[in-house]
Amino acid sequence: GAVVSQHPSRVICKSGTSVKIECRSLDFQATTMFWYRQFPKQSLMLMATSNEGSKATYEQGVEKDKFLINHASLTLSTLTVTSAHPEDSSFYICSARPTNSGGTDTQYFGPGTRLTVL
Amino acid sequence: AQKITQTQPGMFVQEKEAVTLDCTYDTSDQSYGLFWYKQPSSGEMIFLIYQGSYDEQNATEGRYSLNFQKARKSANLVISASQLGDSAMYFCAMRERENTGFQKLVFGTGTRLLVSP
Repeated sequence: GAVVSQHPSRVICKSGTSVKIECRSLDFQATTMFWYRQFPKQSLMLMATSNEGSKATYEQGVEKDKFLINHASLTLSTLTVTSAHPEDSSFYICSARPTNSGGTDTQYFGPGTRLTVL
Repeated sequence: AQKITQTQPGMFVQEKEAVTLDCTYDTSDQSYGLFWYKQPSSGEMIFLIYQGSYDEQNATEGRYSLNFQKARKSANLVISASQLGDSAMYFCAMRERENTGFQKLVFGTGTRLLVSP
């Protein structure tokens, strides 16, 4: 149980294009999903918190117009990197917190998406 | 200020031995949660174990146990009978609640564990 998928797993794009990454909770509903970014050999940095049916909450320093988040259903959140540039190249990983998490609020993570912008 | 501290950038252990990965945390909240995640080279973050601040007993999940010392603000992960497949990065994380009521995870810098035959 508690499986989260992410698509695509790897994407290479040209500078200036937009890239959409999907995060799905496969066997549970998630009112809240999270998007993280991880640079090589570093820890995860939270980018934004995505709540179903409402606007995402972005962490300080994260451009909301550049990283568009849509949480359209209880099982799907999308992150769109708009007008991507080489500095946006990174490992993006999402997580989902089950609506009924039993008080632990455990987040279950997807396998991540490696974005390379040429 | 660093809220989760993992002081061991790398650890080595021989197969079948036990290993302890250190984690200390800093919070003024009375209610908080502590998590350990494993990240193999594939990149996926795998949830291992959870400890709530009010839990009186140390959490255990199979070969994983959490040595929770609340007064010292430490939550060390103990892996018993190490296996080659345990080689990975291990992250300690704390659930914190912001003034807005939002809850989020704060991660440590991680410890790379290498299990040798």
